Amino acid sequence: LAKTTQPISMDSYEGQEVNITCSHNNIATNDYITWYQQFPSQGPRFIIQGYKTKVTNEVASLFIPADRKSSTLSLPRVSLSDTAVYYCLVGSTSGTYKYIFGTGTRLKVLA
Amino acid sequence: EADIYQTPRYLVIGTGKKITLECSQTMGHDKMYWYQQDPGMELHLIHYSYGVNSTEKGDLSSESTVSRIRTEHFPLTLESARPSHTSQYLCASSGDREADTQYFGPGTRLTVL
Repeated sequence: LAKTTQPISMDSYEGQEVNITCSHNNIATNDYITWYQQFPSQGPRFIIQGYKTKVTNEVASLFIPADRKSSTLSLPRVSLSDTAVYYCLVGSTSGTYKYIFGTGTRLKVLA
Repeated sequence: EADIYQTPRYLVIGTGKKITLECSQTMGHDKMYWYQQDPGMELHLIHYSYGVNSTEKGDLSSESTVSRIRTEHFPLTLESARPSHTSQYLCASSGDREADTQYFGPGTRLTVL
């Protein structure tokens, strides 16, 4: 299983763009990169998933360089409600794959 | 929006009681998971299942047991609850899409007195 490394915490102000970078140096060829968001006392919620280059949906963008050893989650114009823990996970569906969530990045959005 | 349900949402119970935490999903997912998470801490996988009659232990040792008799149902049981079992228990499921995006239930917050 590919191990991921993320900053433990980040602060931002409302309206700013937030970029959270995740390192996954031993990512395998079949691995995808997935980001989840978790609010206190709730289960994680899927945000975005990608394999390479750039993926964008209605809430975030995911940037993946050619070597795929890192990825960056970009949240445009954050609001107070984006305060949460963000997890980066790497893996694939093959065989007995299991997710390891790690500690995540605690994002605090300030007014 | 994912359809995965957990009951009860909150449970306060005395030491030594037997409890069952319910988890059900209506998405037809083969894979289901149980995680344990203390406030402000990491999620730890304690059980998972790849289908009916399939159950495996996760990365974190747990005294709980699980069963998977029906695809949609994945209950977790503690035969004799102890204060050390106090935690939040999260159930999730995933399908056969690439990288198994997991859908989580709202969780059960268990307090053992």
